[in-house]
Amino acid sequence: AQTVTQSQPEMSVQEAETVTLSCTYDTSENNYYLFWYKQPPSRQMILVIRQEAYKQQNATENRFSVNFQKAAKSFSLKISDSQLGDTAMYFCAFMKYGGSNYKLTFGKGTLLTVNP
Amino acid sequence: DAGVTQSPTHLIKTRGQQVTLRCSPKSGHDTVSWYQQALGQGPQFIFQYYEEEERQRGNFPDRFSGHQFPNYSSELNVNALLLGDSALYLCASSPSDRGYQETQYFGPGTRLLVL
Repeated sequence: AQTVTQSQPEMSVQEAETVTLSCTYDTSENNYYLFWYKQPPSRQMILVIRQEAYKQQNATENRFSVNFQKAAKSFSLKISDSQLGDTAMYFCAFMKYGGSNYKLTFGKGTLLTVNP
Repeated sequence: DAGVTQSPTHLIKTRGQQVTLRCSPKSGHDTVSWYQQALGQGPQFIFQYYEEEERQRGNFPDRFSGHQFPNYSSELNVNALLLGDSALYLCASSPSDRGYQETQYFGPGTRLLVL
């Protein structure tokens, strides 16, 4: 079974600064997907970024980028130029690739607060 | 283009009762997954429906059951409610097209409180 660990229950950052959220996972699979989801206080889960394990290049979406270290089973999220609207719970998630297995396994989340 | 919708938004039940939650997937999506999110925790996978059949199931008892309709909408039923069933129930939809089926889009959730 896969497990996802987010070791930082809470983090805070000043507006316009950069913050990195950590995520490690445990799997015996070689092909898989990794995701970061954001859940603001309004509670709707929003996809932030995704990474395919077979791709060596780190994914980037505007101010959000990841540092994917497959050998270390590490998948951190970097948020640049933090904005007040980035305040939310951030969840790291794993999905095995292929077959009919498309369930997400989530970590416990990191609560990020962006301060003005 | 409507996203994933869920109803109701909130629900209060008492122990032993039964509840039905509803989900309409995003347009163009034919696969629906259900997750339970306890307070302060990450979502836990309950099951996934595709072509009106349960395709995969997480570690949840048989009290949790579901259904998918021909229009791809889905219901989650929970029988004999326990206090521990109090949680936010999230529905997620995805397409079955190769290369896209791994990305799930979530609805706003249904907050269930069992007294």
